[in-house]
Amino acid sequence: NAGVMQNPRHLVRRRGQEARLRCSPMKGHSHVYWYRQLPEEGLKFMVYLQKENIIDESGMPKERFSAEFPKEGPSILRIQQVVRGDSAAYFCASSLQGDSGNTIYFGEGSWLTVV
Amino acid sequence: GQQLNQSPQSMFIQEGEDVSMNCTSSSIFNTWLWYKQDPGEGPVLLIALYKAGELTSNGRLTAQFGITRKDSFLNISASIPSDVGIYFCAGRPFGNEKLTFGTGTRLTIIP
Repeated sequence: NAGVMQNPRHLVRRRGQEARLRCSPMKGHSHVYWYRQLPEEGLKFMVYLQKENIIDESGMPKERFSAEFPKEGPSILRIQQVVRGDSAAYFCASSLQGDSGNTIYFGEGSWLTVV
Repeated sequence: GQQLNQSPQSMFIQEGEDVSMNCTSSSIFNTWLWYKQDPGEGPVLLIALYKAGELTSNGRLTAQFGITRKDSFLNISASIPSDVGIYFCAGRPFGNEKLTFGTGTRLTIIP
């Protein structure tokens, strides 16, 4: 799916555990976005990052959720103390630059199930 | 927040028929994108529109960026079985990297 790699594809966690989702952007892309999709709904923006910087986290829940995009390695979306309502598909996307003229490509998603 | 109304919610058509779906926004967008999503997969970009009034084709797909910047449509001509899936519009406002997604149009082809 256009080279954005996400893992794991499927993750099952018990309530209270931590979930870590990883995303490697397309080669040469330095802008990463995370979106969440609940069943039968569209994707909802969570956070926009560049290398070592969070640019916009207006869609992130205030607690338990955090994201990073270190200088080396993939972007990580971390959910602490998961609850049933966190069950969703989490999609990462990347773009070449951050201006509005650049296309955003999505990965295949990570499906989190909280039991 | 911004709202994108996508219609219809679902379509049941026969193979070979043409399909039309659209999105309208309460505010102006700088970019319109159309994606297709299959079950268990991520959205795949179909067409990107960057200019008001722009009409762009990708094979049997045609999309237009509305002149008011508040709407876009997607047409699929001569549908085939692999067109089945959920189609999402997405808009991006000026100076903002966040995409706002529509609620999706589920396309089903009746045998």
